[in-house]
Amino acid sequence: EAGVAQSPRYKIIEKRQSVAFWCNPISGHATLYWYQQILGQGPKLLIQFQNNGVVDDSQLPKDRFSAERLKGVDSTLKIQPAKLEDSAVYLCASSQLAGKGIEQFFGPGTRLTVL
Amino acid sequence: GENVGLHLPTLSVQEGDNSIINCAYSNSASDYFIWYKQESGKGPQFIIDIRSNMDKRQGQRVTVLLNKTVKHLSLQIAATQPGDSAVYFCAEKTVGFQKLVFGTGTRLLVSP
Repeated sequence: EAGVAQSPRYKIIEKRQSVAFWCNPISGHATLYWYQQILGQGPKLLIQFQNNGVVDDSQLPKDRFSAERLKGVDSTLKIQPAKLEDSAVYLCASSQLAGKGIEQFFGPGTRLTVL
Repeated sequence: GENVGLHLPTLSVQEGDNSIINCAYSNSASDYFIWYKQESGKGPQFIIDIRSNMDKRQGQRVTVLLNKTVKHLSLQIAATQPGDSAVYFCAEKTVGFQKLVFGTGTRLLVSP
């Protein structure tokens, strides 16, 4: 079974530039998550989709971050404009459903460096 | 991700030893807990989970213990192997909410 795919794996940009990350979840998984993992910390949920609807985006900095999952499959996360503190690994995860006992499968992440 | 764990608490053990990794959680309303393993350059990988109505659950070489009185979770790894070297995170889910909240992690180093 193919895992969660993410691209690019690495991205280096200057502050105030824009960047986009792509995620392809495991086939058939209805729920998709984007996490931000700052160096030395655990992942922090940014946004959760159920099919193509947003379930939780309470920790997404909406003035600069946006995400979409138009057809309920692939998703993109965008940052515009980027700040130095956005340097982190951005992880995508998917699960069959949301809730207790439903395992989230993580992709390898995109490491973003903002200079 | 890469270089996860540069400033994390570190547990160093010898191959073959048993390892115990601890996690304190703060939300008494949390009813589901998971342990994840994260190797360098990779996303977190599910190890084992436990619901709040249990105090112990065993898997292959791993055991999770939950003490709700003191809000403490531990992961025990038996006969630790060099391949167990990674950063380990506990995560909790709160009743009524769907999202996982991750702890800060512990780096496990296993020497041959």
